[in-house]
Amino acid sequence: RKEVEQDPGPFNVPEGATVAFNCTYSNSASQSFFWYRQDCRKEPKLLMSVYSSGNEDGRFTAQLNRASQYISLLIRDSKLSDSATYLCVVHKAGGYNKLIFGAGTRLAVHP
Amino acid sequence: DAMVIQNPRYQVTQFGKPVTLSCSQTLNHNVMYWYQQKSSQAPKLLFHYYDKDFNNEADTPDNFQSRRPNTSFCFLDIRSPGLGDAAMYLCATSRDSSPLHFGNGTRLTVT
Repeated sequence: RKEVEQDPGPFNVPEGATVAFNCTYSNSASQSFFWYRQDCRKEPKLLMSVYSSGNEDGRFTAQLNRASQYISLLIRDSKLSDSATYLCVVHKAGGYNKLIFGAGTRLAVHP
Repeated sequence: DAMVIQNPRYQVTQFGKPVTLSCSQTLNHNVMYWYQQKSSQAPKLLFHYYDKDFNNEADTPDNFQSRRPNTSFCFLDIRSPGLGDAAMYLCATSRDSSPLHFGNGTRLTVT
């Protein structure tokens, strides 16, 4: 089983749609969680950290479910510019600061 | 602006010819990482430095080495590149357990 698993997609949605991605992790002791965005042939960029109580940043909402070991990202009112790959990142407990990446979920927003 | 800078953006090397990729940072972060990312795959951690302490991943081939002569610079040396080493190499930094800041990557081609 991979340490961090994501549905690779692609998710093809129209502008204005709401879309949700899930990510599961295998290490129950993991402590920190993040969503990164990666555009084609570019480096990953931090989208948001994920907090236990859930957090929101504009159109983006992140949730953490420790009991089921998954995190989610909800994007409301999708824009064309949201088209990218969304990477789930989990802090691997027990090591220094080892962040493990999922393979990413591709989102394509069309007019 | 404070940032993580990787040089060169594109590197072409011959099969078996040693190559060095460089990374510098002005963030004064104590942790520096090297990730390898192949097409449509997750970034894979090769190794990281926590301050001066080098941490190699168990599955990183011996062909890959790293040097960190000071806080600001980190190098990735590939002693004998094979065709399978063609990938995007991403340098990242963090301060302890903060989110990663990535450089814009070096895309390596092996001919």
